[in-house]
Amino acid sequence: EPEVTQTPSHQVTQMGQEVILRCVPISNHLYFYWYRQILGQKVEFLVSFYNNEISEKSEIFDDQFSVERPDGSNFTLKIRSTKLEDSAMYFCASSTRTGEYNEQFFGPGTRLTVL
Amino acid sequence: AQSVAQPEDQVNVAEGNPLTVKCTYSVSGNPYLFWYVQYPNRGLQFLLKYITGDNLVKGSYGFEAEFNKSQTSFHLKKPSALVSDSALYFCAVTLRGGSYIPTFGRGTSLIVHP
Repeated sequence: EPEVTQTPSHQVTQMGQEVILRCVPISNHLYFYWYRQILGQKVEFLVSFYNNEISEKSEIFDDQFSVERPDGSNFTLKIRSTKLEDSAMYFCASSTRTGEYNEQFFGPGTRLTVL
Repeated sequence: AQSVAQPEDQVNVAEGNPLTVKCTYSVSGNPYLFWYVQYPNRGLQFLLKYITGDNLVKGSYGFEAEFNKSQTSFHLKKPSALVSDSALYFCAVTLRGGSYIPTFGRGTSLIVHP
């Protein structure tokens, strides 16, 4: 069964450093998403991406964040200058269609620790 | 604004016993409701969803959930728990006619004891 994959599984970085989190969505999916979960808190939406454009973003997704689909398979989330409060589990997801009744397929997550 | 509450951080149940993982929601309109499960080192996997129709929804691995509009709940149930059901369970909601971005709960850790 096809799965969303994410690398690395755990990233440790110093405050102020740039990080890139990588995701390979399911190959025939067209819609891509990033979410994060701070320890003990809710899963929060960051951004959605379709047709090489951001289609929706939350207020969390400020100028420090960017997303890119550099080739036909990878989908990346970049944090330019990490802060302590960026420490969280970051989930990538994809779906064949969008719509409020459609489920998404999630990767296993990247745990980001900012020191 | 819509929200989801999963009032229990952890649920413990003995193997073979019925299990319930609770979820309540708040939306200003009609909801679509989802349950996802996360096994260790895996991504969230879709279990089941309520869109319309029968309030009792059946999903993967023998799980089911009942939509209760008056109580704004969507509790996840299984008649007989397995040790392999031990995982993190997330409830999520979207609003019919609204954004396709789901609002998730914090997750409930289900531990099934042998």
